[in-house]
Amino acid sequence: EVQLLESGGGLVQPGGSLRLSCATSGFTFSSYAMSWVRQAPGKGLEWVSAISGSGENTDYADSVKGRFTISRDNSKNTLYVQMNSLRAEDTAVYYCAKTRSFGVVPRDYFDSWGQGTLVTVSS
Amino acid sequence: DIQMTQSPSSLSASVGDRVTITCRASQYISTYLNWYQQKPGKAPKLLIYAASSLQSGVPSRFSGSGSGTDFTLTISSLQPEDFATYYCQQSYSTPPYTFGQGTKLEIK
Repeated sequence: EVQLLESGGGLVQPGGSLRLSCATSGFTFSSYAMSWVRQAPGKGLEWVSAISGSGENTDYADSVKGRFTISRDNSKNTLYVQMNSLRAEDTAVYYCAKTRSFGVVPRDYFDSWGQGTLVTVSS
Repeated sequence: DIQMTQSPSSLSASVGDRVTITCRASQYISTYLNWYQQKPGKAPKLLIYAASSLQSGVPSRFSGSGSGTDFTLTISSLQPEDFATYYCQQSYSTPPYTFGQGTKLEIK
């Protein structure tokens, strides 16, 4: 059974930093691209960032480009996102999601999701 | 970026009803359209991929159709556990993987 477990969320001041983790099990982690998707309180889903199975290729939403860095440790089956220069509008539940492909490619979808971790950016 | 628009934004229905939710893309996306279900406080769950393919384990009362720019998600006979919010997502031109704004399905 595929399992994804996010951690690292919490309250942070504007301009601050936070690193989220997503520990995985139940599948060959290095064979699949992974993404972070967020959901602001009471709002819809917004894709944030993706990384290929090898970690060589990454992509970001314009809203986080230059501030967030996605990475992975395939030896630990864990996905990360380093979030810097946080803004109030980054407040959201952050989900990690597994795709069905190795690369960051079109024609893909999210077939497994974690339960999410809440990030609150406020003074 | 491709924009996805769902209608209606909310919908009230009764157990046993047949329900249809529509998703429109701002440009051609072939059949690269996926549907997710999200219950309050829970993660989204994949229901349908590639417009009409049922994800493993999803009940057959869920079905999807469409191509090009217009798509539908149909629930043939609503069950109590189907009351949730539904999102479409395009995967034709990605990233960014864009979602619709959601359709909240409520009990009448």
